[in-house]
Amino acid sequence: AQTVTQSQPEMSVQEAETVTLSCTYDTSESNYYLFWYKQPPSRQMILVIRQEAYKQQNATENRFSVNFQKAAKSFSLKISDSQLGDTAMYFCAFMKPGTSGSRLTFGEGTQLTVNP
Amino acid sequence: SAVISQKPSRDICQRGTSLTIQCQVDSQVTMMFWYRQQPGQSLTLIATANQGSEATYESGFVIDKFPISRPNLTFSTLTVSNMSPEDSSIYLCSVVGQLGGPQHFGDGTRLSIL
Repeated sequence: AQTVTQSQPEMSVQEAETVTLSCTYDTSESNYYLFWYKQPPSRQMILVIRQEAYKQQNATENRFSVNFQKAAKSFSLKISDSQLGDTAMYFCAFMKPGTSGSRLTFGEGTQLTVNP
Repeated sequence: SAVISQKPSRDICQRGTSLTIQCQVDSQVTMMFWYRQQPGQSLTLIATANQGSEATYESGFVIDKFPISRPNLTFSTLTVSNMSPEDSSIYLCSVVGQLGGPQHFGDGTRLSIL
């Protein structure tokens, strides 16, 4: 079974600065997907970024980018130019495609607070 | 991505009663899931809602407690039966448009049991 670990329960950053959230995972699979979701106080789960394991290039979405280290099984999220609206719980998630059907395994989450 | 409507957004219920949560998508999707998020915790998958057949439940979740229906490719319901205070959680539905694609979530239902 896959496991996802987020070792930082809470983090804070000043507005306009850069912050990196850590995520490690354990799997014996070679083909899989990794995701970061954010959950603001409104509780909606919002997809931030997605990485396919067979792609060496790190995914980027505007101010959000990942550092995907497949051998180390590490998948960190970097948020540049942090904004107050980035304050949320961030969840790292693992998905193995196939007959099990896109099931997600989530980490415990990191609460990020952006301070003015 | 698909627009997902989840109802109700919140409810306060009495112990021993049941509540049905609806998840409606504006387009056909391949997969639908139901998650539970207990206070201060991460998401735990309850089951995969299968169109036209019984849901596939994860370990620790049973059909008698969490009956699920999915009559078509755009709609699913989750019922929380015989509720107790331990069932106080956020319940979320999610959908996958195409196999291998990302899951997108509804806004969740915040359920409190007195």
